Amino acid sequence: GQQVMQIPQYQHVQEGEDFTTYCNSSTTLSNIQWYKQRPGGHPVFLIQLVKSGEVKKQKRLTFQFGEAKKNSSLHITATQTTDVGTYFCAGRDSSNTGKLIFGQGTTLQVKP
Amino acid sequence: GAGVSQSPRYKVTKRGQDVALRCDPISGHVSLYWYRQALGQGPEFLTYFNYEAQQDKSGLPNDRFSAERPEGSISTLTIQRTEQRDSAMYRCASSLEQVATEAFFGQGTRLTVV
Repeated sequence: GQQVMQIPQYQHVQEGEDFTTYCNSSTTLSNIQWYKQRPGGHPVFLIQLVKSGEVKKQKRLTFQFGEAKKNSSLHITATQTTDVGTYFCAGRDSSNTGKLIFGQGTTLQVKP
Repeated sequence: GAGVSQSPRYKVTKRGQDVALRCDPISGHVSLYWYRQALGQGPEFLTYFNYEAQQDKSGLPNDRFSAERPEGSISTLTIQRTEQRDSAMYRCASSLEQVATEAFFGQGTRLTVV
């Protein structure tokens, strides 16, 4: 079945350093979403990418969707302590667009 | 309601008992999802509904797990004859449409089987 893999599992950075997490799907996706979960909280939607090769920015966050629509990345420039949390990608298979499958997440720790 | 509401927030049950977890989605949302999330892991898909129809239940671990959404709004996830391995956070999410829209998550139900 469809699988969504994320790397790395954990990342510790010094405040001000950049951070990137990568997401890979075993199947072609119709779209991909990114969520952030703070410690003790629930996943909160960040963004959705739909088109092949799409790039979207939200302030210091840059999201990319691969040309083959099987991979994606989230890059944070100049991390801040408020960026702490776990970042999940979630994809919908192109053949089963209702089923939203989450990756295992990348947990980001930022040292002030 | 303003958001997705799940009840109870915490449930401790004895092994072998049945439990019912409730999800009240955002009003008007077509799709409703159930996930299970272990500590330090991503949400694991269980099942989802469009309106009252269960579209995919491929993630339900075994036949002790079932879900319903009889009127296309509130949903119940039922676990029969609970086992210790069922202990986890159970999360419900809803979205306005089936595709191309964000999922809004509830606070979850923390189930502990003792």
